[in-house]
Parts: sequence; structure tokens; C-alpha cells
Amino acid sequence: DIVMTQSPDSLAVSLGERATINCKSSQSVLYSSNNKNFLSWYQQKPGQPPKLLIYWASTRESGVPDRFSGSGSGTDFTLTISNLQAEDVAVYYCQQYYTSPRTFGQGTKVEIK
Amino acid sequence: EVQLVESGGGLVKPGGSLRLSCAASGFSFSSYSMNWVRQAPGKGLEWVSFISSSSSLIYYADSVRGRFTISRDNAKNSLYLQMNNLRAEDTAFYYCARDQDSGRYYWFDPWGQGTLVTVSS
Repeated sequence: DIVMTQSPDSLAVSLGERATINCKSSQSVLYSSNNKNFLSWYQQKPGQPPKLLIYWASTRESGVPDRFSGSGSGTDFTLTISNLQAEDVAVYYCQQYYTSPRTFGQGTKVEIK
Repeated sequence: EVQLVESGGGLVKPGGSLRLSCAASGFSFSSYSMNWVRQAPGKGLEWVSFISSSSSLIYYADSVRGRFTISRDNAKNSLYLQMNNLRAEDTAFYYCARDQDSGRYYWFDPWGQGTLVTVSS
């Protein structure tokens, strides 16, 4: 199974500042035939199901604010939340869909400093 | 509006059985693969099972293989998870989640609100 490891486990960021979450996979999730990274990001607010933010490592889902961006390739990925807003307080998960079983990172909790 | 609504959760004793259902609406259910994903209270996400649009491909997590059975009824726009021989570690919110294709698996979107399964004596 591909192990997804996120860092940090939690972070506190001031309103309007940038939050950076890292995700590392135990093997590459870059599919050579289409040069796409099989990685997605989700946001989960308390008491709610996860919500898709980003897929193909950097494609923002429709309706997701452009302060959310994804980057990286191969085994190392980053979710950046620029200009953090109060409504961004949540747990964020990365997930690989390169192979089954699809696996998630352990989650990163973002709070307001 | 695309909607997924789970039902069937509850309290069950170890070794017991439960059947979860997921009612889909707002999209062509028969055109999409579907999944169950679970989350123990206060913990992370764990994919449980996948079924392709025609039910020809079915996958399970090692932790549930041989105990859980996924199925679907495209005529009723419904997804199911039959859970047998339940263990305490199966206690979790169970989410129904749509895949992005009829066959191969991708990201999960959207997700239902979840149904809580508690396994305890």
C-alpha cells in the first residue's frame, strides 16, 4: 500500500497569512503515460463530510476559492492556503488514487493563531 | 443537485450484522463507480470498498475483506454495504462517495453526510 504522510499534524496561522501543508507518498504517484499526478486534497470542517478541493495535484475543483492551490510532483506535494480566512479552519487530507487501496494522509488541522 | 444520503447505521454487538444504504439523486447513478469510506470518531479517513458502475469490478480494503459486501441497484439509484461479523474497530462514520468514472477509481466527490456505526456490547 502507498503510505501518505502529511506534515505538520497541526498548524496555527494568523488571519490573512499563508498556511502550507505538505504531503509525501511512499512511492511516486506520477503516471508516466499521461504525466499526471494521481493526488487529491480534501477539506473537512467539524461535523461535516470531507469536501474535494483539488485533484490531479493542482487542479482546483469548481467553486473552490483561488486562495487554495496545490503543487508538487512524484512523491512530494503541497497544499497552500494564501490569505487564510476564518472559514478555512478545518482538517485537510491528501489522498492518492494511483493504486488500490486508495490511501489518505493522517490529516493536518489548521487553526487561527 | 447531486446528493448522497446514507442510512442504516446504529448500535450493534460484536459479531453482529448491519446493512448500510446510500440513496443517490441528481446524477446518472448507473454511470458512476461508487465507494464506501469510513472515519472512526476523531480519526482519519479509510477507504473501505469500491464498486464499478456495472458491478463488474469490486475492491475491498484488507481490513474488511471477507466480512463486508458492497452492492448496488442501478434501477433504485442505491448503493449498499452488508457488514457481517462486526468488530469494535469497525466503529466509524460510514460515508458513501461517488467516483469520477464508470470504471477506474479516482478522487471522491461528492460525499454523503455519513451514518454512524457503533459496535459495542
